[in-house]
Amino acid sequence: GAGVSQSPSNKVTEKGKDVELRCDPISGHTALYWYRQRLGQGLEFLIYFQGNSAPDKSGLPSDRFSAERTGESVSTLTIQRTQQEDSAVYLCASSHSGTGRNEQYFGPGTRLTVT
Amino acid sequence: GENVEQHPSTLSVQEGDSAVIKCTYSDSASNYFPWYKQELGKGPQLIIDIRSNVGEKKDQRIAVTLNKTAKHFSLHITETQPEDSAVYFCAASKGGSYIPTFGRGTSLIVHP
Repeated sequence: GAGVSQSPSNKVTEKGKDVELRCDPISGHTALYWYRQRLGQGLEFLIYFQGNSAPDKSGLPSDRFSAERTGESVSTLTIQRTQQEDSAVYLCASSHSGTGRNEQYFGPGTRLTVT
Repeated sequence: GENVEQHPSTLSVQEGDSAVIKCTYSDSASNYFPWYKQELGKGPQLIIDIRSNVGEKKDQRIAVTLNKTAKHFSLHITETQPEDSAVYFCAASKGGSYIPTFGRGTSLIVHP
């Protein structure tokens, strides 16, 4: 079946502009995660959605970052007033965590470049 | 919170050799330990995982071992092939908290 999809695959923006990144999780997955991966680095947790519960925003680096999820479907990550240090690959993952299985399935990521 | 250390950061082997990547974790309540493979330009992909009720799991050329007492787990790849070249991440998470903590990754290079 279809995996996790993300769009756009690449985004180049000017410093100070807002960007919106999209994630379509696997159908039926109740949990959705956003991560940031800087060049050559590990995965930095940003935010976690589980069903209709309040999201865990503990990983968001600043108030310029926000995310929304509509029910158990698509999610958008918004970065306002982008800075050069926001340049990274933003990865989305979904999982069946509601059933106790917490294997994560990742999308291909959105490569964000802030000039 | 949980802290996961992963070593080495880079591993270079000859085709056919074995490769071992090690991770340690700090939270004794962690009970799920997945390993992910990330190829260039792609998202990480789960390759094997282990839960705290077992000590070893094997899937063809890859195996994972877990030592709960020492709080460390390892990925073993035998008969390495050039297509095994990638970045490998370990992670740890626990029941009730589905947010895993990832290691910093190991870049595995298999020379033909």
